[in-house]
Amino acid sequence: DTAVSQTPKYLVTQMGNDKSIKCEQNLGHDTMYWYKQDSKKFLKIMFSYNNKELIINETVPNRFSPKSPDKAHLNLHINSLELGDSAVYFCASSLVEGEAFFGQGTRLTVV
Amino acid sequence: AQSVTQPDIHITVSEGASLELRCNYSYGATPYLFWYVQSPGQGLQLLLKYFSGDTLVQGIKGFEAEFKRSQSSFNLRKPSVHWSDAAEYFCAVESYGQNFVFGPGTRLSVLP
Repeated sequence: DTAVSQTPKYLVTQMGNDKSIKCEQNLGHDTMYWYKQDSKKFLKIMFSYNNKELIINETVPNRFSPKSPDKAHLNLHINSLELGDSAVYFCASSLVEGEAFFGQGTRLTVV
Repeated sequence: AQSVTQPDIHITVSEGASLELRCNYSYGATPYLFWYVQSPGQGLQLLLKYFSGDTLVQGIKGFEAEFKRSQSSFNLRKPSVHWSDAAEYFCAVESYGQNFVFGPGTRLSVLP
C-alpha cells in the first residue's frame, strides 16, 4: 500500500497547455502539501492545505491552483504552462505535528 | 522566518569512512527537526526526527543525529558509510502551524 501516491510520474507537454497532477494519501493525515524541486534540488513549498485552510506561497504564480475534493486528495492544476515550470513536483502529507510523507514525484517537462 | 542552512553542497567520502552532514536552523523556538534522504529519481524518505527529549536520536540505515540547542544545529552522522548511502540529504524544520522548511540539500558521493 502506497502511503502517498501521485500520478503521473512523468509528464511531457507543450507550452501553453493546461495539466493536472493528482495526489492521494491513505494515512488519514490532516495536511497535504505541494513542493516544487528545481534542477538544483532545492525544495520550495507551493501550497499547504488542510480541510480548513489553504496557505499559498505568495511567490507561486496564480496559474497554479490546488484542488481538494476531499481530505485524502490534493490535486495540482497548472494553466498555460511555461518552460520555467519544468521541475519535479512532490506531494506530501502530515499530521498537524509530525513528519511529512512524500510521494514519488512527478517530473514535468514543458517543451 | 524559519530558515535552514546546510553548509556543504557536496561531500565525498570513501566507503567505510565516517560521515557528518551539517545542518543549522534559524527559528525563535525549538522547532521539530528532520533529516530526509532522496535517492536518484525517488521521493524523500525520512531518516530520523527530533521532537523533544534525548538530544541524540537514532534513525534508519544506521544514521543518528544530535540536536544542539546552543548551536542551533542538528547534524547527521553515520560511523561507516556504505556505497548505497550515496544520495541527496535534506535537513528540515517544522513547527506547529507552520510549513516544513527544507535546507538546500547536501549531495553525498561514496568512493569505492
